[in-house]
Amino acid sequence: AQSVTQPDIHITVSEGASLELRCNYSYGATPYLFWYVQSPGQGLQLLLKYFSGDTLVQGIKGFEAEFKRSQSSFNLRKPSVHWSDAAEYFCAVGGDTDKLIFGTGTRLQVFP
Amino acid sequence: SAVISQKPSRDICQRGTSLTIQCQVDSQVTMMFWYRQQPGQSLTLIATANQGSEATYESGFVIDKFPISRPNLTFSTLTVSNMSPEDSSIYLCSVDRLAGSHNEQFFGPGTRLTVL
Repeated sequence: AQSVTQPDIHITVSEGASLELRCNYSYGATPYLFWYVQSPGQGLQLLLKYFSGDTLVQGIKGFEAEFKRSQSSFNLRKPSVHWSDAAEYFCAVGGDTDKLIFGTGTRLQVFP
Repeated sequence: SAVISQKPSRDICQRGTSLTIQCQVDSQVTMMFWYRQQPGQSLTLIATANQGSEATYESGFVIDKFPISRPNLTFSTLTVSNMSPEDSSIYLCSVDRLAGSHNEQFFGPGTRLTVL
């Protein structure tokens, strides 16, 4: 079955600290992987995506993610978190059919 | 990127009534998607709407409850029929747009629905 797991429902970090949000997927074909961010009351904004090639992808706002096929993971990282990064983060997997399967999300809180 | 607008941005409705949500895109797209995001939950795909054909519904969603129109390549509507409090959610539309060598989904701002 196709699925996305985000094990961490809620993460709290201090401003300036590093961040890693976990994402594991189950997908029968070659996965296309995405990270979206949703700020309160807003729609979803794409942070980054992986289709093929270099397994370390850079996104907007200083985020990066690494695709590890052997671990079926696509973890999101940021070396230094800013207070404005507080939001809900969703990992998603898709393929040629364009249908996206989303994880349950990780809510990030940032303390000053 | 794609500019997507939704109307209304939010609404509070009475049980048993229906609400139609509009999604407008700034350019022509083949596929439009409707998602539901229940409180504290992730996004669940309701249906895929292609212009000129009937929408394709995901398991657990039916046309009688969520009728969809797709009159042209820039517009779609989703109706939430005979609403109950369980329908309180954010409803988002999205579109596929070619970005580089692959398609990418862009999302509208969502419609926040509360059913009393």
